[in-house]
This record gives sequence, structure tokens and C-alpha cells, in this order.
Amino acid sequence: GAVVSQHPSWVICKSGTSVKIECRSLDFQATTMFWYRQFPKQSLMLMATSNEGSKATYEQGVEKDKFLINHASLTLSTLTVTSAHPEDSSFYICSARQGGGQETQYFGPGTRLLVL
Amino acid sequence: GQSLEQPSEVTAVEGAIVQINCTYQTSGFYGLSWYQQHDGGAPTFLSYNALDGLEETGRFSSFLSRSDSYGYLLLQELQMKDSASYFCAVKDGNNRKLIWGLGTSLAVNP
Repeated sequence: GAVVSQHPSWVICKSGTSVKIECRSLDFQATTMFWYRQFPKQSLMLMATSNEGSKATYEQGVEKDKFLINHASLTLSTLTVTSAHPEDSSFYICSARQGGGQETQYFGPGTRLLVL
Repeated sequence: GQSLEQPSEVTAVEGAIVQINCTYQTSGFYGLSWYQQHDGGAPTFLSYNALDGLEETGRFSSFLSRSDSYGYLLLQELQMKDSASYFCAVKDGNNRKLIWGLGTSLAVNP
């Protein structure tokens, strides 16, 4: 099946620093990638949808200047949490969709962010 | 508004059969998906129903009735490793993003 990787899997950082998370589709080209955030015991919250070569579409309430998304190629999207604060600590998960009528989203293993 | 409803918790014993229901109310509909998520892990895709009826994949089956805005995930011959959260998700027909339910926590006991 389709494989999506995320790096890093764990990040601990100080308040005020920026953190970049990479999401890669390893064996397929992803025309669309999605970034989610999940707090403990809660459902996934879609943050933004990113299409290769165009600006990301952010969900209501998600600050685009704080969560910078770049989808530079068909296999790579990055999420940068700028000036991270403790309340940004969460589980960040990306997913990728192949396109061309393929509707299934394949999820990366997630990145745990802890901001001290 | 858009919403999906599923039970928050289900408990069963090894070898049993469990059905997790999902009702949805969305502005558009492209299909109903089910995902499994173990504690600390990311969701893994289980099944996708775009048309009415039953889809069977091994011990797991998924059903959809579009006229009733309803679907279910059926897990048979439960094993301890099936203890996880199960999410239903509807693909919004307008923009094709997934709208997620709150998840059902399944506990399988010996």
C-alpha cells in the first residue's frame, strides 16, 4: 500500500522557537496533502489542505501566519509551527491523497510536538 | 451544520462481533470511510463505501445506506489487538476533504 512518512516523529522545543515537520509520500505522487492536529482522546482536526504548487487552504480558526505550509513537490509538504508556545503542543499528522480519482487518504505516522 | 455521530465507547470480549454505527449530516457526500487508530499511533485506513451495500475485507466489513445517511463497521472474531479507536469520516462532496466523527473507543477484553 501507499506509504507516507513524517519527520521528525518527536520534537521537544523551547517556547518561541520554530519547528518544521516534513511529510513525504514515498511510493506515489500526492497531488493533495492534509495537515491535522489531534489532542489527547479527541478526534482529528483538519488544519489545512495543501495542493502541490499552490497556496494552502486553511480551516477556520487556523492562523496561516503561525502554521506555514509549503507543498513544493508532489512528494513533499512541510508544516512550520512558528514561534511555538506550550498550547501548540499536540500530535500533528499529515495525510496524502494520490489524486486522479483515488479518494483514499494515507496517513503519516504523526509528529508529537512538546513545547516547553 | 455538518456532523457525524458514533458511540463514544464500546466494550466486547475476544471472539465476539461488534458493530459500530455512524450517522452523518453533511452538505455533500462522496463516500464514508473508516479508520483505525491505536493509542499513540496515526490513523490507518480500513474501508471506503461510496455506494450502498456491504464491503467485506477479512474480519472487517463496512456498510452504507445513503438514503438513511448511515453506515456501520462490523468487526468479527474480535482479537485483543483490535482494541483501538475507530473513526468514521465522510468525504465532503463540495471540496472532498474528510469530515471526521469523534471516534469510538473499542476495548476488547479476554
